[in-house]
Amino acid sequence: DSGVTQTPKHLITATGQRVTLRCSPRSGDLSVYWYQQSLDQGLQFLIQYYNGEERAKGNILERFSAQQFPDLHSELNLSSLELGDSALYFCASSVQGRAGPPPDTQYFGPGTRLTVL
Amino acid sequence: DAKTTQPNSMESNEEEPVHLPCNHSTISGTDYIHWYRQLPSQGPEYVIHGLTSNVNNRMASLAIAEDRKSSTLILHRATLRDAAVYYCMPVASSGYALNFGKGTSLLVTP
Repeated sequence: DSGVTQTPKHLITATGQRVTLRCSPRSGDLSVYWYQQSLDQGLQFLIQYYNGEERAKGNILERFSAQQFPDLHSELNLSSLELGDSALYFCASSVQGRAGPPPDTQYFGPGTRLTVL
Repeated sequence: DAKTTQPNSMESNEEEPVHLPCNHSTISGTDYIHWYRQLPSQGPEYVIHGLTSNVNNRMASLAIAEDRKSSTLILHRATLRDAAVYYCMPVASSGYALNFGKGTSLLVTP
């Protein structure tokens, strides 16, 4: 158990809908990351927050948005869903969100499996 | 970020050592080399990281080439629980996004 929690575990919805994925970081971690894992694209970085502020952005679609709240939990909002958005979404957290030196370790949650029908 | 090349898959017998190679020939001087693994139906988990010197921890050892263009993750005695996809990633000091690539799928047989 990494200490990172994600809800829900599974989500099934229809195209065009909007969903919210929730992540609670490990106690004491200030940085949260979101990743998407699909069969064709593999594990891809979406976005990083540090203490409520956006720090880095990856291949995140404009239909997707995220935020980190004062209690440090984070939400990933996915709107106008398409079939291709079906994937596993992982949240990770780390203490400070830096590459070094020395680098943080990222701790990953169990993921939310999103199925868009 | 530096590109990495790893074998698609490797196989090992249980209780034998496993050497997982990674080529990262375009690595920058300040990039740390990270290894993560993903067990079936789980999120990725940290294994080890290093900069220049070889590193050991309770999970594995990391051997880094002198020119830093390649590294090898060493599992000293593979167990069935070590069957996973192993990812090698140089991480730029300017950010902290992990670029997982395709990784190496390790099969451990009894």
